[in-house]
Amino acid sequence: DAGITQSPRHKVTETGTPVTLRCHQTENHRYMYWYRQDPGHGLRLIHYSYGVKDTDKGEVSDGYSVSRSKTEDFLLTLESATSSQTSVYFCAISDQDGDNQPQHFGDGTRLSIL
Amino acid sequence: AQSVTQLDSHVSVSEGTPVLLRCNYSSSYSPSLFWYVQHPNKGLQLLLKYTSAATLVKGINGFEAEFKKSETSFHLTKPSAHMSDAAEYFCVGTSLTSYGKLTFGQGTILTVHP
Repeated sequence: DAGITQSPRHKVTETGTPVTLRCHQTENHRYMYWYRQDPGHGLRLIHYSYGVKDTDKGEVSDGYSVSRSKTEDFLLTLESATSSQTSVYFCAISDQDGDNQPQHFGDGTRLSIL
Repeated sequence: AQSVTQLDSHVSVSEGTPVLLRCNYSSSYSPSLFWYVQHPNKGLQLLLKYTSAATLVKGINGFEAEFKKSETSFHLTKPSAHMSDAAEYFCVGTSLTSYGKLTFGQGTILTVHP
C-alpha cells in the first residue's frame, strides 16, 4: 500500500466550528488531492496540489481551503463547518499529473457535523 | 468532455462463477482508464490501468479488463469469484484535456453469494 496516512480517521463536531484534516505521505509524490465521497455523487475533487505552496480548486471547493507547506503534508480546512460537509474525505497522491498516472488513496476520514 | 458510465449499480454472483462489471466511456481523446476497488471503510485500491500499450490489461487478484475502442467499453472480468471480491468497484478515466484529473463512474457494488 502507498504510504498515506489520514488523520483523524473519525471526527464528530458541531456546525460553525473549524475543522482541519491532515494527509501525510511518505512517498515523496509531487501531487496530492482531496476528495469527498457521498452516496449518489461518487468521489468529487475538492482541491489539489501540484507542489509545495501550489494548490488549485476542484469541482466542489466552496467552503474549503487547503495548505501545503511541506511535500509530505496536505491539509484540508473547513473554516466554519456546515451539515452539508458531513462526508467521507479521501486524500490521494500521484507522482505525476500525467494522463496515465493513477492516484493512490488513503483510508479516509469520516466527518460528521451536527 | 470526458465521462465514464458504469452500467450496473449492483451485480450479484455466486462464488466460483464469472464476474463481469461493465463500463463505457466517452472522450474526445484517447483516454487512460482505471479500475479501482473499495472495501468497506477503506480507500480505493488500484486494480489495473489501461494506458494504450495493450488492449487486454491484467490486474491484481485475477481481474482483467479489455479496452474496446469500437464499443467505447472497458469491462472488468474475473473467471471465478471469491467471497473476498465483494466490494464496490469504480471505473475511472482521465484524458489529455483533463490534465490528469480523474472522472469517476458511479460505482458497482459486487455481492458474492456462497
